Amino acid sequence: GQQLNQSPQSMFIQEGEDVSMNCTSSSIFNTWLWYKQDPGEGPVLLIALYKAGELTSNGRLTAQFGITRKDSFLNISASIPSDVGIYFCAGQRGSQGNLIFGKGTKLSVKP
Amino acid sequence: DGGITQSPKYLFRKEGQNVTLSCEQNLNHDAMYWYRQDPGQGLRLIYYSQIVNDFQKGDIAEGYSVSREKKESFPLTVTSAQKNPTAFYLCASTPYGGRGTEAFFGQGTRLTVV
Repeated sequence: GQQLNQSPQSMFIQEGEDVSMNCTSSSIFNTWLWYKQDPGEGPVLLIALYKAGELTSNGRLTAQFGITRKDSFLNISASIPSDVGIYFCAGQRGSQGNLIFGKGTKLSVKP
Repeated sequence: DGGITQSPKYLFRKEGQNVTLSCEQNLNHDAMYWYRQDPGQGLRLIYYSQIVNDFQKGDIAEGYSVSREKKESFPLTVTSAQKNPTAFYLCASTPYGGRGTEAFFGQGTRLTVV
């Protein structure tokens, strides 16, 4: 099955730094979702995007639906230790397609 | 509080045995899904079900089986035919009967073959 190209694969940053990660696809998506997964837990939905060009924030998190509909970005500002985890993007083609997931970005934050 | 409950959290299986993972949701969602997660990999779809008594194979269905006798429940059986069953298994559900869109996940079951 198709998977999205998510980058970077991992990040090691200092507390207080900003973080950026992205997902790209060769196909157009109608929905982009961003999830965070803590170790040994299920993913939790952070932000959902439904319209090309849409920019949505959730606290220190901001995500954008690319205007080409083939990519999405997630930014985390002023990172803190509890931001540690794996961040997944997921996309849906059309209104009936199953979600397709990226391989995740593993974020480590040094206090 | 509504949510998805997976049990058990940890499961050990001997080679050649079948084992069933439980997934229950009280969100009144129509669709339910099973994903497999391996280290460094994304989530791979095993099976999904949009309505009761109906389910479809995902990308890696071989060696797995499911049933959907009740809206709230979607158990996954890992059979002896699955050659590499050690993994983290995640159950999810979505509202509206649509496939995808804001999937809510359980806390996962870690299966280890011993």
